[in-house]
Amino acid sequence: QQPVQSPQAVILREGEDAVINCSSSKALYSVHWYRQKHGEAPVFLMILLKGGEQKGHEKISASFNEKKQQSSLYLTASQLSYSGTYFCGTEITGAGSYQLTFGKGTKLSVIP
Amino acid sequence: DSGVTQTPKHLITATGQRVTLRCSPRSGDLSVYWYQQSLDQGLQFLIHYYNGEERAKGNILERFSAQQFPDLHSELNLSSLELGDSALYFCASSVGGTPYGYTFGSGTRLTVV
Repeated sequence: QQPVQSPQAVILREGEDAVINCSSSKALYSVHWYRQKHGEAPVFLMILLKGGEQKGHEKISASFNEKKQQSSLYLTASQLSYSGTYFCGTEITGAGSYQLTFGKGTKLSVIP
Repeated sequence: DSGVTQTPKHLITATGQRVTLRCSPRSGDLSVYWYQQSLDQGLQFLIHYYNGEERAKGNILERFSAQQFPDLHSELNLSSLELGDSALYFCASSVGGTPYGYTFGSGTRLTVV
């Protein structure tokens, strides 16, 4: 039931764009995105709900394709501060407990 | 400071021992989730409590148990510790229910020697 994230790692130069994908084999009710910097706690970025629209957060946005049970996180004009590991967390439709199952993460490194 | 407090930050203990990890959720949050993070497995869901009641269990070992008290703080008890239990243990809290995100504590790094 663990969602699959791709790529596992990506290296960008400042100003470049990146897309991180998250896919599930289960019908999803919501998808969360979190960023974790080394040695720190994961930090909530955004949530996408079934039937909802694409969300945005400054230069970071995400989409949710309900038919394919896939979500994508878009990072545009990357900054050094974007470096970290990005996790998607999925909430399965009907699970009722609001628990999230996280992917293994995508390590993003932004270099000057 | 995220508002979620976890203690202790670091714990080193021997195999076979028992430890208790503590979590105080953010003010107003009724849900507490426990996750185990290891290098190769990412964030693994252990257990969820909502307002004192257990709501869901993940792949939590029988040697592990948890509870949420009336003041909403939660404790995760790990017993008969093994080397493989070494990991970072995170507690997260939320208001409860979609569409609220989780707020994570800074974690407890457990090392079993």
